[in-house]
Amino acid sequence: AQTVTQSQPEMSVQEAETVTLSCTYDTSENNYYLFWYKQPPSRQMILVIRQEAYKQQNATENRFSVNFQKAAKSFSLKISDSQLGDTAMYFCAFMEYGNKLVFGAGTILRVKS
Amino acid sequence: GAGVSQSPRYKVAKRGQDVALRCDPISGHVSLFWYQQALGQGPEFLTYFQNEAQLDKSGLPSDRFFAERPEGSVSTLKIQRTQQEDSAVYLCASSLVQGKGEQFFGPGTRLTVL
Repeated sequence: AQTVTQSQPEMSVQEAETVTLSCTYDTSENNYYLFWYKQPPSRQMILVIRQEAYKQQNATENRFSVNFQKAAKSFSLKISDSQLGDTAMYFCAFMEYGNKLVFGAGTILRVKS
Repeated sequence: GAGVSQSPRYKVAKRGQDVALRCDPISGHVSLFWYQQALGQGPEFLTYFQNEAQLDKSGLPSDRFFAERPEGSVSTLKIQRTQQEDSAVYLCASSLVQGKGEQFFGPGTRLTVL
């Protein structure tokens, strides 16, 4: 069974600074997708960024980028120029081709002014 | 267009009561997923539909949990004889295509069993 581990229960960062959230996963599959989701206190889960395992190039979405290390099964999220609105719970998730998402336990990120 | 909607947003049930949670996916989305999220934890998969077919129900914790999507759009998650450990937020998600499509989540239903 696939597992996703987020080793940082909580993180804090000053506004405008950069922060990196860690994620590791375990799978025997070769083709899969990895995601970072954001869940603000309102609880609506929002996709932040997606990485397809067969792509070598790390995904980027504006201030958000990932460091995908397939051999190490590592998938970290870097948030640059942190904003107060980035305060939320962040979940790393794994999806093998087909269906369900397997989530990590989450990292609470607090952006301080 | 509207996103995924869920109702009710909050539900309080006495232990032993039956509850029904509704999910309206984004129009035209083929795949629909139910997840259970305990307080302070990540969501856990319950079940998955492709159109009206329930393709995976491996995550349903007991036979008290039942889900349906009879016409391939709206889905209902039913919990019979609720117990305190059923207290959680129940999230519904839909995606346009099977497999690599982004899953769009609803706001969830917070179920509290007293």
